[in-house]
Amino acid sequence: AQSVTQLGSHVSVSEGALVLLRCNYSSSVPPYLFWYVQYPNQGLQLLLKYTSAATLVKGINGFEAEFKKSETSFHLTKPSAHMSDAAEYFCAVSESGNTGKLIFGQGTTLQVKP
Amino acid sequence: EPEVTQTPSHQVTQMGQEVILRCVPISNHLYFYWYRQILGQKVEFLVSFYNNEISEKSEIFDDQFSVERPDGSNFTLKIRSTKLEDSAMYFCASSEGGYNSPLHFGNGTRLTVT
Repeated sequence: AQSVTQLGSHVSVSEGALVLLRCNYSSSVPPYLFWYVQYPNQGLQLLLKYTSAATLVKGINGFEAEFKKSETSFHLTKPSAHMSDAAEYFCAVSESGNTGKLIFGQGTTLQVKP
Repeated sequence: EPEVTQTPSHQVTQMGQEVILRCVPISNHLYFYWYRQILGQKVEFLVSFYNNEISEKSEIFDDQFSVERPDGSNFTLKIRSTKLEDSAMYFCASSEGGYNSPLHFGNGTRLTVT
């Protein structure tokens, strides 16, 4: 069965610093991977998705993620953090052949300090 | 941009009561989902729905839960006899179809069982 693990439940960075949120997946078949962001009292918004077309995926709000099969990782990065990036971030995996359901990681709360 | 809408935003009910959570998915989407997020925990899959029937459900989705698409636009989650542990944020999601289509989430219904 597929799963994702997000290392670090809380990450704190200074405004302007690099953001790195870690995600490792476990899947018996090539996975489809997603990053979602959840702002307070809101639903989950898609940041980006990996569907095997390119290993480096660019998303909204300046975020990108790189799929590394050898490391079974899909880490999310942003070169320069903004205060508005403070939110909870979820990595998720979907396997081909199923109903499209997503399995989520436990989430990482990003704090951005002025 | 089309969005998934959920009502109500907050529902308070007494233990043992029935609740119905309502969702209007994006109109041209074919797959529908319910997820829940207990406070401080990960987002958990409950059920997926396609072609007017359940396509997959999790262990959480026991006989107390049911879903329905009563007309062409609404998608509902019913909990027959609520328990304290059902208190959570419930998210509805929809997608165009399949394992590589991103899910679009509503803003959720916060269910509080007292």
